[in-house]
Amino acid sequence: DAKTTQPTSMDCAEGRAANLPCNHSTISGNEYVYWYRQIHSQGPQYIIHGLKNNETNEMASLIITEDRKSSTLILPHATLRDTAVYYCIVHNYGQNFVFGPGTRLSVLP
Amino acid sequence: DGGITQSPKYLFRKEGQNVTLSCEQNLNHDAMYWYRQDPGQGLRLIYYSQIVNDFQKGDIAEGYSVSREKKESFPLTVTSAQKNPTAFYLCASSARTSGMDTQYFGPGTRLTVL
Repeated sequence: DAKTTQPTSMDCAEGRAANLPCNHSTISGNEYVYWYRQIHSQGPQYIIHGLKNNETNEMASLIITEDRKSSTLILPHATLRDTAVYYCIVHNYGQNFVFGPGTRLSVLP
Repeated sequence: DGGITQSPKYLFRKEGQNVTLSCEQNLNHDAMYWYRQDPGQGLRLIYYSQIVNDFQKGDIAEGYSVSREKKESFPLTVTSAQKNPTAFYLCASSARTSGMDTQYFGPGTRLTVL
């Protein structure tokens, strides 16, 4: 059962902000929103996670809507090395992570 | 240098042979996981272990076996019963403390069965 919906693919110009959307309309109160990315032929890399407040770290920012039904991952200044598949996952502690097909982000020079 | 290692990066086997994929972590994590990824697809959970000497089947356990004799190690055996073993295999671990269980992944092993 897919708990999240993401666009199949997106393009972004190098140096611009990349905004990756995710819909999770059935999220429950104790479920977190996680983001991972996977560069081709590598293992997924953890990016960020949040419950209801916006979060920022050295890699990205996570904006979660007030009703928690959607979120956006923001890469503020995309580089060619950010080209990857980005996975948005709704996760409850103690449950297994469910990875869908994600969004394929292409950063263009 | 802490992390998760998987070896080898590429593995070739003949059809009908069992093969064991290695996964080691020095993060002192209690839980470890094995996933399979086919081209253009997301990850599917094969087996997971929350503690030494215990493991549970994931969504696609048929044709695979695991052991967890040490906290640091969680080897996966792909048996001859697995009908389509060619895939990218990923190992992960998590701490499961303080209410957070973020998973961290190894670099993966690409298995090709000829």
